Amino acid sequence: GIQVEQSPPDLILQEGANSTLRCNFSDSVNNLQWFHQNPWGQLINLFYIPSGTKQNGRLSATTVATERYSLLYISSSQTTDSGVYFCAVGFNTNAGKSTFGDGTTLTVKP
Amino acid sequence: KAGVTQTPRYLIKTRGQQVTLSCSPISGHRSVSWYQQTPGQGLQFLFEYFSETQRNKGNFPGRFSGRQFSNSRSEMNVSTLELGDSALYLCASSAILGGEQYFGPGTRLTVT
Repeated sequence: GIQVEQSPPDLILQEGANSTLRCNFSDSVNNLQWFHQNPWGQLINLFYIPSGTKQNGRLSATTVATERYSLLYISSSQTTDSGVYFCAVGFNTNAGKSTFGDGTTLTVKP
Repeated sequence: KAGVTQTPRYLIKTRGQQVTLSCSPISGHRSVSWYQQTPGQGLQFLFEYFSETQRNKGNFPGRFSGRQFSNSRSEMNVSTLELGDSALYLCASSAILGGEQYFGPGTRLTVT
């Protein structure tokens, strides 16, 4: 069946370190988003990136649709980056439905 | 533009009762999707509405239903509540079907 897998499930870093989060998906996609969920449950949009590369400050993302993966890079991490990062994918076979991965829980220590 | 709003933010209900949650999308957005988030199952798609029509439905029992009004506001209803329905219910809006989604703050439902 259609799958979205995120790795690693947990990541612990020291402040200032860099990290790479990965999202693998099992089929052709028409949209892909990265979100950060804050402690109150709000999902914050990071990137809408069905293909290509985007950058926003210390964060950047790359999606290689032909190889069915996306990467989220966080550079010079800060304690406020802590939280859960989700990848959500909309597949060509079902455009209006997003399938979420299980998330990566990031903890940045001071 | 104002973001996606959801009401109520918190709700406590008893098993067997029913509940209605409301979502107002970003102005101009015509698509509204609903998701359930639980610690055990993660974020799961419930349904999506576009122009007052349900376009996609997830794998949930018929106790979960929804609708969308002509102003794009949406409601979801859960009848005969079970303990397992306790969850964070998130609503998202997008300008087009399958487009970039923007989420509301969620409604946290507790069933006792």
